[in-house]
Amino acid sequence: DGGITQSPKYLFRKEGQNVTLSCEQNLNHDAMYWYRQDPGQGLRLIYYSQIVNDFQKGDIAEGYSVSREKKESFPLTVTSAQKNPTAFYLCASSIFPGETQYFGPGTRLLVL
Amino acid sequence: AQKITQTQPGMFVQEKEAVTLDCTYDTSDPSYGLFWYKQPSSGEMIFLIYQGSYDQQNATEGRYSLNFQKARKSANLVISASQLGDSAMYFCAMRELTGNQFYFGTGTSLTVIP
Repeated sequence: DGGITQSPKYLFRKEGQNVTLSCEQNLNHDAMYWYRQDPGQGLRLIYYSQIVNDFQKGDIAEGYSVSREKKESFPLTVTSAQKNPTAFYLCASSIFPGETQYFGPGTRLLVL
Repeated sequence: AQKITQTQPGMFVQEKEAVTLDCTYDTSDPSYGLFWYKQPSSGEMIFLIYQGSYDQQNATEGRYSLNFQKARKSANLVISASQLGDSAMYFCAMRELTGNQFYFGTGTSLTVIP
């Protein structure tokens, strides 16, 4: 089955720790995205990538980093510089930039 | 200014009835796309329906239809014959011609009552 997978489902971060959220797609989509969702809010774009080895900052990129070394993978690292990381993180992909985005199941990040 | 506005934080509908979820948008681009997503309590965003700014007819997908009023800059989602499984958050989103970023509204929580 084609789709987008995210792992882990829940992630706990200690103060000062970097953590990495995984996002994998087997849809052969060119573009991938990371969003953050806070309670009662819509989605805010963190980073997006239109092709391999290229990525762009979104509206709230500070404290986050990404890589796109393979077409199917777009991991997100939440660094210690992100002071309020507790949120629900959603990864998405689209066949081309600007086309309909399809989402993974999400990762809930909590700070200990 | 907000690109996408959803003014109904919560809505209730009787099972088997129709319901309209409101969405207004703000753009000066002549070409844009409008999307609706459903987010059940599990968290995953499920794509429902798409409307292009140049589409002459309103989009329909099964029980979902999009009431597109270009002059009023509104793109309301209509769900017919509501089912208990329709209870979820619903998000409206827009993509402009200039750039590939999606803009999401704050969502509407729909509860279907048996």
